[in-house]
Amino acid sequence: ELVLTQSPATLSVSPGDRATLSCRTSQSVSSYVAWYQQKPGQAPRLLIYGASTRATGVPARFVGSGSGTEFTLTISSLQSEDYAVYYCQQYSSWPLFGPGTRLEIK
Amino acid sequence: QVQLVESGGGVVRPGRSLRLSCAASGFSLSTSGMHWIRQAPGKGLEWVAAISADVGHEHYADSVRGRFTVSRDDSSNTLFLQMDSLGTEDTAVYYCAKGVYSGSYFCDNWGQGTLVTVSS
Repeated sequence: ELVLTQSPATLSVSPGDRATLSCRTSQSVSSYVAWYQQKPGQAPRLLIYGASTRATGVPARFVGSGSGTEFTLTISSLQSEDYAVYYCQQYSSWPLFGPGTRLEIK
Repeated sequence: QVQLVESGGGVVRPGRSLRLSCAASGFSLSTSGMHWIRQAPGKGLEWVAAISADVGHEHYADSVRGRFTVSRDDSSNTLFLQMDSLGTEDTAVYYCAKGVYSGSYFCDNWGQGTLVTVSS
């Protein structure tokens, strides 16, 4: 059974600093990973697909990387609007989401 | 532009049924795989069901298979989720989302969600 884990569960970072979020899959999913951002009371928003391709309108400070079983979302120079919950999703098989990382202001 | 608007949520007793709708605009449902994804209060995202483009094959998560049915009406460009034998574990915000196929699906557009509360 394919399992996704995300770490850390909560990440505290100061505005202007860099945030690094991790997603791990229990078996290889090639580059079939997407990242979503969700703010309170809102629907998720697609940020990254194909592990590293930014969706339309996503700022360049969001960078996705990785392949196989290890994936990273890096947000450079955090802005106030970036504090949210981030989910990774694999799509090598039917969609499965990770438990999320809450990015909070330090 | 793409817009998805869900409706039909509400409070329902355990064991009863509810039908959710998702009105799509800006694209044709028949050309995109469409998904229902839910989020229990304070929890993460759970994929629930999908209907493929063209012939409309249906796919379900194990947690809802046999109880939920996904369908679409191409004439009205509306997606549906028929939910039967509801249990308290089905309480969640239900999102419809437009899928992009590559291997399997990721979702590039989401509706605002509709809340389903199953309670006696």
